[in-house]
Amino acid sequence: DAKTTQPPSMDCAEGRAANLPCNHSTISGNEYVYWYRQIHSQGPQYIIHGLKNNETNEMASLIITEDRKSSTLILPHATLRDTAVYYCIVRVKTGSSASKIIFGSGTRLSIRP
Amino acid sequence: GAVVSQHPSRVICKSGTSVKIECRSLDFQATTMFWYRQFPKQSLMLMATSNEGSKATYEQGVEKDKFLINHASLTLSTLTVTSAHPEDSSFYICSASVGRGDEKLFFGSGTQLSVL
Repeated sequence: DAKTTQPPSMDCAEGRAANLPCNHSTISGNEYVYWYRQIHSQGPQYIIHGLKNNETNEMASLIITEDRKSSTLILPHATLRDTAVYYCIVRVKTGSSASKIIFGSGTRLSIRP
Repeated sequence: GAVVSQHPSRVICKSGTSVKIECRSLDFQATTMFWYRQFPKQSLMLMATSNEGSKATYEQGVEKDKFLINHASLTLSTLTVTSAHPEDSSFYICSASVGRGDEKLFFGSGTQLSVL
């Protein structure tokens, strides 16, 4: 799996948009970008994933650059409950069996009141 | 979304005993399950991949005789930590997949193992 690079920590004011960057310069054409987050002492929670088009769901938006070498996760209105470690992962779509997810070190996002 | 149940959430055991952790997919059939461990302030480390009805595939450096994985049905996988030692104390997390290859993985809530 391609490696991702994320800043170790970020902070954001409550109510503002949190923009979390991720570099995946060696991503292959068949690799998806996934975002998960982990709140302290819990299992990771799925947020969003995409291949090359921008994606939006009820939790967040995912912006992928045209060359696919980087992406940004956007939490539009951050709340204190969004404080967590956010993981950006690239994962091969195999089509017939589940491919494993390898976690990097992630970004520790702190939301300040 | 799909639910993955992991049990127990916390276990304390004596050194030398074995501990079994269960991972269940509650509303879907999981052909593939993954087991991770996580030390404090570190990221998740993949231990092994298990496919229903076949032997687990272990990541490099993970002892298969130490960490026994059984995936006997499409809704249950178990991880048994045999002859546990204090250095096995960690947060263990499972995840389950339908197995199509392109879908999101769902994770259990984790098991905190403390070996005295």
